Amino acid sequence: DQQVKQNSPSLSVQEGRISILNCDYTNSMFDYFLWYKKYPAEGPTFLISISSIKDKNEDGRFTVFLNKSAKHLSLHIVPSQPGDSAVYFCAASEGNNNNDMRFGAGTRLTVKP
Amino acid sequence: DTEVTQTPKHLVMGMTNKKSLKCEQHMGHRAMYWYKQKAKKPPELMFVYSYEKLSINESVPSRFSPECPNSSLLNLHLHALQPEDSALYLCASSPLGRNTGELFFGEGSRLTVL
Repeated sequence: DQQVKQNSPSLSVQEGRISILNCDYTNSMFDYFLWYKKYPAEGPTFLISISSIKDKNEDGRFTVFLNKSAKHLSLHIVPSQPGDSAVYFCAASEGNNNNDMRFGAGTRLTVKP
Repeated sequence: DTEVTQTPKHLVMGMTNKKSLKCEQHMGHRAMYWYKQKAKKPPELMFVYSYEKLSINESVPSRFSPECPNSSLLNLHLHALQPEDSALYLCASSPLGRNTGELFFGEGSRLTVL
């Protein structure tokens, strides 16, 4: 039972444009959401997070939006840069409990120059 | 030092072999994790150690045996594995008692079982 789903395995955008990566979850008890970025031959690295008490969190070019009623979150990258090309994992946990963090399968983003 | 180091990066083993994956961090994190990731699938939690004690075992077969000799090291001992155990094994750590929820991952050890 996959509680966190990323339905787009890949996304390609032009440099300078906006990248939007989507994530859906099924467990209404999740209250903390994270995005990780993974380059080839490296481990995932934390990118940005959002608590369920917020609907938006922004960090530079990266913004995460949370729609609790739709159980949906998205990561916006603007403007996209070729160095953003990586696999992006969505993750969710309940009560900020690292012991039960669930991951999506990832979306491979390619930013073309 | 903000790294989680995993060795070896690649491992090929036969079904009768005994091998170990190693993980090390010097960030003072008291929680350490093993995840397994197959191609095009999400990372799946295997084991969690909190304060060097096994706190979660996600119904992992006994052919995988974790060990946490001290607060900086985490091992995964492998014995009598099956070809379907071939995967990327990710180690992660996190501080306990903080509310960031962030995990720090190593690069992973890619395991091939022949």
